[in-house]
Order: sequence, then C-alpha cells, then structure tokens
Amino acid sequence: AQTVTQSQPEMSVQEAETVTLSCTYDTSENNYYLFWYKQPPSRQMILVIRQEAYKQQNATENRFSVNFQKAAKSFSLKISDSQLGDTAMYFCAFGGNQGAQKLVFGQGTRLTINP
Amino acid sequence: DAGITQSPRHKVTETGTPVTLRCHQTENHRYMYWYRQDPGHGLRLIHYSYGVKDTDKGEVSDGYSVSRSKTEDFLLTLESATSSQTSVYFCAISDRGEGYTFGSGTRLTVV
Repeated sequence: AQTVTQSQPEMSVQEAETVTLSCTYDTSENNYYLFWYKQPPSRQMILVIRQEAYKQQNATENRFSVNFQKAAKSFSLKISDSQLGDTAMYFCAFGGNQGAQKLVFGQGTRLTINP
Repeated sequence: DAGITQSPRHKVTETGTPVTLRCHQTENHRYMYWYRQDPGHGLRLIHYSYGVKDTDKGEVSDGYSVSRSKTEDFLLTLESATSSQTSVYFCAISDRGEGYTFGSGTRLTVV
C-alpha cells in the first residue's frame, strides 16, 4: 500500500519569502501521479500542481514549482514570492495509474504567511 | 466548483440516527469518491465508485455504505451515526490522471 508523509505539521514565513514544503511517499509502482492541494480557511480543496512520474521535468505553475526526485521518492513544493493568500493547509497526494485514481493523502502542512 | 455540489453543508445529528450525504456532479465523470478529513490524518478514502452501481471500499469504510444509481449522484449513508464519525466529508470526482475536483465539504457533528 502507498503511504505519503509530510513531516512539517506547521510552517510560518514572511510575505515575499520563498518556502518549501516537504513530502515523501512510498510505492512499488513505476507510473503514477503526484499532487499538491491547497485548503484555505474556506475549506475548499484546490489543486495547486500535478506531476506525472514518467516526466523528469519538474512541474511549475506560476509561483509554484516542485522538486520531484523519483529515486528518493520525494516531492517537495516551493512557493516563491509568498503572498498572504497562500496561507492555507497544503496536502501532498499520491495517485496510481490504474483504474480509479484513489488518492492517498499526507497529513498536511499548515502554512502561515505573515505580513 | 460548479461541477460538483454536496449537500448539506453542515449537519448536526444524534448518535444512532441514520444520515445520508449527497454528492451531485454535472461533469459526467466516471469516478466518484467519498473522503473524510480529520486533524492529523489528512483525507482518508471511505468508498469510491467507478460507474453506476459499481462501488468499492476504501481505507475507512466500516460504518458507511454508498449507492450510485445515476452517473451524477453518489450517496454516502451512515446507518447509525456514532461520535467517531464526526468529521468533514468531501466528495470528489475525477477523470483518470487529472486529479480530483472536490465538493465544498460537509461538516457532520454527531452528538
């Protein structure tokens, strides 16, 4: 069974700084997907970024980028030029490549951006 | 997201009563999922569906049942609610590989 671990329960940085959230996972599969989701106080789950394991190039979405290390089973999220609106819970998730994509989530990291 | 709606948004119920949560989608996605969110656990899969009348158990399925009689609707039922089922429940839909689209969640309190 797959597992996802986020080792940082809480993080806090100043506005405009860069912050990196860590995520490690365990799987025996070779083809899979990895995701970062953001959950602001509104409770809505928002997809931030998606990585396909067979693609070596790290995914980027504006200020958000990932460092995907397949051999190390590591998938960290970097937020550049952080903004107050980035304050949220962030979840790392693993998804298989067969049938229904049953996502396995990490425990979450609560990120606070301070003015 | 307008393509998926959950109801109700909040509910308080008494121990031992049945509760049904509804998820409705307009995206015609094949896959639908129910998760619960608890502090320190992230989101955990309760049940999922891969088609009309096709469902299977997830990681934390005890005490829950589901039904999917139409592509667009996926119901989660707590036959006899317990305090341990106090949680936030999320429905999600997906096409393979694209990640999920989530509903806005239902906060259920069992007293």
